[in-house]
Amino acid sequence: QVHLVQSGAEVKKPGASVKVSCRASGYTFTNYGISWVRQAPGQGLEWMGWISTYNGNTNYAQKVQGRVTMTTDTSTSTAYMELRSLRSDDTAVYYCGREPGDGYIVHWGQGTLVTVSP
Amino acid sequence: EIVLTQSPATLSLSPGERATLSCRASQSVSSFLAWYQQKPGQAPRLLIYDASTRATGIPARFSGSGSGTDFTLTISSLEPEDFAVYYCQQRGNWPPSTFGQGTRLEIK
Repeated sequence: QVHLVQSGAEVKKPGASVKVSCRASGYTFTNYGISWVRQAPGQGLEWMGWISTYNGNTNYAQKVQGRVTMTTDTSTSTAYMELRSLRSDDTAVYYCGREPGDGYIVHWGQGTLVTVSP
Repeated sequence: EIVLTQSPATLSLSPGERATLSCRASQSVSSFLAWYQQKPGQAPRLLIYDASTRATGIPARFSGSGSGTDFTLTISSLEPEDFAVYYCQQRGNWPPSTFGQGTRLEIK
């Protein structure tokens, strides 16, 4: 079955960068895109962006454009989300999700808590 | 960016009652709207996509309707496990996509 396993929790200082990984198994990695969604503590879901695992095309939300880079390593079926110049309001659980081409997410990773604190 | 506005923010109902949740888009998204359920400490779960199609394994008490800018998620008879937060998501001009701010469905 489909599994998306994310890297562990991170604590970063303001201004630093974080790179979260999402390792996929149970399906052909390049047949589905990967979306990234985050959720600040007690808040709603925020769509961050999407990457095509087939050709590397990306689309980022305006709010994080310029600070985020999404990449994939097809040899290991792993997607990565790097966020730079971290601020306190980047503190959130970051989720990856398998996206079948229609933008909807059925399969989700377990989430990675990123805490930005001095 | 298409903004989704969900109402009400909180809905207090009893098991067995009917729940009606609303999602309004700032511009037309055709039928490209989904509904998710999220429980504390869990990832979201896709319930409905393309406005009215139930995802695999979703009980028939969940139904979606609407098109253009106004959408509704209906839970016909609430079960105890249905009390959670519900989000709508649009993919009208995919990519990008956006989520609504959520409706908390709580036990009265």
